[in-house]
Amino acid sequence: AQSVTQPDIHITVSEGASLELRCNYSYGATPYLFWYVQSPGQGLQLLLKYFSGDTLVQGIKGFEAEFKRSQSSFNLRKPSVHWSDAAEYFCAVGAPGGFKTIFGAGTRLFVKA
Amino acid sequence: ETGVTQSPTHLIKTRGQQVTLRCSSQSGHNTVSWYQQALGQGPQFIFQYYREEENGRGNFPPRFSGLQFPNYSSELNVNALELDDSALYLCASSLVVDGANVLTFGAGSRLTVL
Repeated sequence: AQSVTQPDIHITVSEGASLELRCNYSYGATPYLFWYVQSPGQGLQLLLKYFSGDTLVQGIKGFEAEFKRSQSSFNLRKPSVHWSDAAEYFCAVGAPGGFKTIFGAGTRLFVKA
Repeated sequence: ETGVTQSPTHLIKTRGQQVTLRCSSQSGHNTVSWYQQALGQGPQFIFQYYREEENGRGNFPPRFSGLQFPNYSSELNVNALELDDSALYLCASSLVVDGANVLTFGAGSRLTVL
């Protein structure tokens, strides 16, 4: 069965510092992988997605993620965090041709001045 | 292009009542999915509709039901509300391309059951 694990419930980084949010997935083949961001009281916004090809994918707002098949990971990174990045981040996995996208429990990012 | 819109944004019901939540899909999208997001958790898949038929369902009881209309808008109905149904209900529309289902979410409907 597909599953997604986000090991960090919350992370605090200083503004301007780099960020890495971890995501591990369980799936029998190469799934479709996503990162979404949710600001308080809002729906989820797609940051980036991986389907195939280059394992380093670029997204919006300066985010990138790297797919590592050997580690079943899809970690999200940003070189310099801005205060406006404070939000909840969700990693998600979908099966090619499938209808269900499975989300992790999320990592809440706090940014300190 | 218009995004996904949901109504109402907030509502309060009592245990045992029924609720209907509504969703308008993003223009050009033909598939609608519904998710339940309890406080502090990730979204949980309820079901998906394509061409007005349910084509996938998560681990939710039959009292959770839905509809998709010819204009691709959708409703989520929940009967016999329980306290644990209190959550943010998210609608997401998508256009499946090459087997890839990329979701565009609405802002959600927050349901409180007392």
